[in-house]
Amino acid sequence: QKEVEQNSGPLSVPEGAIASLNCTYSDRVSQSFFWYRQYSGKSPELIMSIYSNGDKEDGRFTAQLNKASQYVSLLIRDSQPSDSATYLCAVKLWAAGNKLTFGGGTRVLVKP
Amino acid sequence: KAGVTQTPRYLIKTRGQQVTLSCSPISGHRSVSWYQQTPGQGLQFLFEYFSETQRNKGNFPGRFSGRQFSNSRSEMNVSTLELGDSALYLCASSDGSANYGYTFGSGTRLTVV
Repeated sequence: QKEVEQNSGPLSVPEGAIASLNCTYSDRVSQSFFWYRQYSGKSPELIMSIYSNGDKEDGRFTAQLNKASQYVSLLIRDSQPSDSATYLCAVKLWAAGNKLTFGGGTRVLVKP
Repeated sequence: KAGVTQTPRYLIKTRGQQVTLSCSPISGHRSVSWYQQTPGQGLQFLFEYFSETQRNKGNFPGRFSGRQFSNSRSEMNVSTLELGDSALYLCASSDGSANYGYTFGSGTRLTVV
């Protein structure tokens, strides 16, 4: 079982709709969770971080964390063509120090 | 505030050669991590250095090595290059704390021919 798993997609959403991305992780003692966006040919860019159960909102992005079920999700509201990218879920494990483990990423396509 | 600087941006090397990549983290950050990104394997963790000490290591062969200097700049070396080492190598800067995400550099695209 992979440590961090994501559906590879592509996730196709119409412009203006909500894109919903999911991520599951295997280690129960994971403590910090991050979402990165990566455009083709570019490096990953941090867009959200979440540490406690519940929702965290930042602009059009909402991260949701459920530690009991070991999943973290990202909602993108009012999706724009510029949101078309690969979204990477990343998890820090307390036992692994500062190591950030990434999922394989979900490719999102926003169609005008 | 300057970001994470990686040099060079592109490299073409021949099988069997060795290569050294450089990374300067964000000023004040003492943690530098290295990742290899390929289409098939995604982002794979190589190692992390914190205050000149290797704090974490991924599952890569010994041909991959790194070091960190007193000014927090880090270098990664790959010896005896193989075709499969062709990848985007990303350096990430952090303050080293558990709740701080990484900031990535632009990466070095290595092609082994």
